[in-house]
Amino acid sequence: AQSVAQPEDQVNVAEGNPLTVKCTYSVSGNPYLFWYVQYPNRGLQFLLKYITGDNLVKGSYGFEAEFNKSQTSFHLKKPSALVSDSALYFCAVRPPGFQKLVFGTGTRLLVSP
Amino acid sequence: GAVVSQHPSWVICKSGTSVKIECRSLDFQATTMFWYRQFPKQSLMLMATSNEGSKATYEQGVEKDKFLINHASLTLSTLTVTSAHPEDSSFYICSAPLSYDTGYEQYFGPGTRLTVT
Repeated sequence: AQSVAQPEDQVNVAEGNPLTVKCTYSVSGNPYLFWYVQYPNRGLQFLLKYITGDNLVKGSYGFEAEFNKSQTSFHLKKPSALVSDSALYFCAVRPPGFQKLVFGTGTRLLVSP
Repeated sequence: GAVVSQHPSWVICKSGTSVKIECRSLDFQATTMFWYRQFPKQSLMLMATSNEGSKATYEQGVEKDKFLINHASLTLSTLTVTSAHPEDSSFYICSAPLSYDTGYEQYFGPGTRLTVT
């Protein structure tokens, strides 16, 4: 069965510091991996994806993620956090042969001034 | 990025009435759309896959007679919550995937807050 784990309910970081939001997955075959961000009472916004190629993927708003096949991880990173990055972040996997996504439980990122 | 709209953004209805929520892909065509439900401080729960020109595919445990889905065109899917009850109050979000060459990258609507009184 396909699944996504986001082990941290919340990540706290000071503005200007680097941030990491963790994600591990379990899927048969080659995974298609996505990160989305959700602001309060809003839908999800696409940040970045990994389909194939370079393991380091760059996305919107300065975010990047590193695909690690051996560790089945796809952690989201940003070198310098902004207060405006505070939001709910979702990791998702699209199993091969399907269009639907399997989401993790979400991680709330809180960036303090 | 692609744009998906939802209407209304919020709705309050009385118990026993029905509510229709629209999901539109504004700048691309979508033969498939997805409907999710999100409870406060929780992840998204996939309710159903909406298929243009055919019946929707519902996830296990979702009542198809209660949550009616119609995908009438390549840019519009509707979710009707029939005989709504307070426990149906939730945040409903739709999404539509782009093409195969994007990895079926999904774009989400802004969501609809339903409150049943």
